[in-house]
Amino acid sequence: NAGVMQNPRHLVRRRGQEARLRCSPMKGHSHVYWYRQLPEEGLKFMVYLQKENIIDESGMPKERFSAEFPKEGPSILRIQQVVRGDSAAYFCASSPPDRFRYEQYFGPGTRLTVT
Amino acid sequence: QKEVEQDPGPLSVPEGAIVSLNCTYSNSAFQYFMWYRQYSRKGPELLMYTYSSGNKEDGRFTAQVDKSSKYISLFIRDSQPSDSATYLCAMSVSNTGNQFYFGTGTSLTVIP
Repeated sequence: NAGVMQNPRHLVRRRGQEARLRCSPMKGHSHVYWYRQLPEEGLKFMVYLQKENIIDESGMPKERFSAEFPKEGPSILRIQQVVRGDSAAYFCASSPPDRFRYEQYFGPGTRLTVT
Repeated sequence: QKEVEQDPGPLSVPEGAIVSLNCTYSNSAFQYFMWYRQYSRKGPELLMYTYSSGNKEDGRFTAQVDKSSKYISLFIRDSQPSDSATYLCAMSVSNTGNQFYFGTGTSLTVIP
């Protein structure tokens, strides 16, 4: 059973461009979480999604950031008009529908660098 | 004040030593406590979880929760070089996972 997959692993964008980060959850998992990790800071929750639904986006910046988890295909975290402060590691985690959600399985992360 | 405080270290110990990693928190409503291990350039990996107060043991790892002091610990016995990683604590009011609060992580190096 493949783990959580994220791509790309590294992404470089110039200020003002768009960044699209993809996450494929583990097989059978229907819950996806996105986190951001800044240097010297802990993981910060951004958004929690189930298939075709955003359950909790309380950690997401109000502007420029959006997330989706379509019926088919990976979950996408989209950052429009990136700024230098968006440079961070973005992690996706997934959990199965019938287990406590602290059992989250993390992907390897996408490291976004904004130049 | 941060929800969760964790000393970033770095912590360096000789192989075979007992390691103690700690976190403090401010929200008395936290009931679920987790420890993650994160190797360099990798995603966090769940090591242990505990509910409410008490101890939990899994092999060389022991997790302790003291809710009265708002203090949690992870002990690693007979530490190995492969234990070298960053250890993150996380906690939550509920078990639904979408409101985890993570510490900043403690960097541990076990020297052979």
